[in-house]
Amino acid sequence: DGGITQSPKYLFRKEGQNVTLSCEQNLNHDAMYWYRQDPGQGLRLIYYSQIVNDFQKGDIAEGYSVSREKKESFPLTVTSAQKNPTAFYLCASSIGAWGTNQPQHFGDGTRLSIL
Amino acid sequence: GENVEQHPSTLSVQEGDSAVIKCTYSDSASNYFPWYKQELGKGPQLIIDIRSNVGEKKDQRIAVTLNKTAKHFSLHITETQPEDSAVYFCAATSEQKVTFGIGTKLQVIP
Repeated sequence: DGGITQSPKYLFRKEGQNVTLSCEQNLNHDAMYWYRQDPGQGLRLIYYSQIVNDFQKGDIAEGYSVSREKKESFPLTVTSAQKNPTAFYLCASSIGAWGTNQPQHFGDGTRLSIL
Repeated sequence: GENVEQHPSTLSVQEGDSAVIKCTYSDSASNYFPWYKQELGKGPQLIIDIRSNVGEKKDQRIAVTLNKTAKHFSLHITETQPEDSAVYFCAATSEQKVTFGIGTKLQVIP
């Protein structure tokens, strides 16, 4: 089955530590996205990538970094500069980026907590 | 930028009744409006979508209506069932980005 896989499901970060969240898709989608979800808030865009080797900052990119070396992979690093990292992180992909009128397909998320 | 408002934030209905969730958007350039259902501990899943050249779309118990002039769109669920209990998100998509509503927590009471 085609889909999008996030790992791990739960992750704990110590003070001053960088952690990396994995996102892999086998849908052959060009575009991939990272969102942060906090209670009572909608999905906020952290980073997005419309094509391999290219990515753009979203609305809340500070304290995060990404790479897009392969079409199927879009890992997110939460750096020590992100002072409030506790949240539910969602990765998504779509056939094309904005303007293509296609839905996003989401993974089942990674819940990050501070130790 | 685009602003999407979603109402209500919580909704409780008796099993078998209908549920309606409403969203308004601000950017007239938005032309694609998906609805997602998110169950606890899971990612959002697309349940229905509508494009700006269509006024209404139906898929079994789920329907979406779009009023481009008023810039609002609504999700209608008929004959609700306990498994419909979840958080529902609307979204508005333009050439530049997709903007999500804050979500509606729907509880269907058996």
